[in-house]
Amino acid sequence: KQEVTQIPAALSVPEGENLVLNCSFTDSAIYNLQWFRQDPGKGLTSLLLIQSSQREQTSGRLNASLDKSSGRSTLYIAASQPGDSATYLCAVPSGYSSASKIIFGSGTRLSIRP
Amino acid sequence: DGGITQSPKYLFRKEGQNVTLSCEQNLNHDAMYWYRQDPGQGLRLIYYSQIVNDFQKGDIAEGYSVSREKKESFPLTVTSAQKNPTAFYLCASSIKVALNTGELFFGEGSRLTVL
Repeated sequence: KQEVTQIPAALSVPEGENLVLNCSFTDSAIYNLQWFRQDPGKGLTSLLLIQSSQREQTSGRLNASLDKSSGRSTLYIAASQPGDSATYLCAVPSGYSSASKIIFGSGTRLSIRP
Repeated sequence: DGGITQSPKYLFRKEGQNVTLSCEQNLNHDAMYWYRQDPGQGLRLIYYSQIVNDFQKGDIAEGYSVSREKKESFPLTVTSAQKNPTAFYLCASSIKVALNTGELFFGEGSRLTVL
């Protein structure tokens, strides 16, 4: 059974710092891995999707990496800004199919101090 | 604009009442999902549907029901059998496997409070 873990549960850093959020999963036979952002009281916004054949994806100041063999993904945020404050969640399918159930981590609540 | 629309955004229910949450998408996606989110917890899957007129139970389906009569619509009914229905409900959709990336898109959520 696929399980997804995100550590730490909360993180606070000063503005301008580079930071890394972690996501680990137990079953490495995944179709893809997706990172989301959630603002309080809102839905989830897709940030990056990494296919199983890819090692990383980049969008602006965000870079996500995927290491299936070790069951890990990281989300790197460069030059953090107060607007980056949100909860970040990762998600993977429970089986090797994008139509499988998608399992979410509990998220990392990020706070960027001005 | 293409997207997923959930309504209502806020809903109050008395104990013993059934309520239905609406989810409509105009992305032409085959798969649709309902998740529940409680404070400090991750998302838990209630039901999902990969095609019209077919749906499967997720991890916490008890006390909930769904229908998928149209591709663009996947309403969720929270029945009186659900013991602790107060939560934030999120609807999502994705294109079907084999032709696509499987990227998941979400609506803005519906917050249900039982009085």
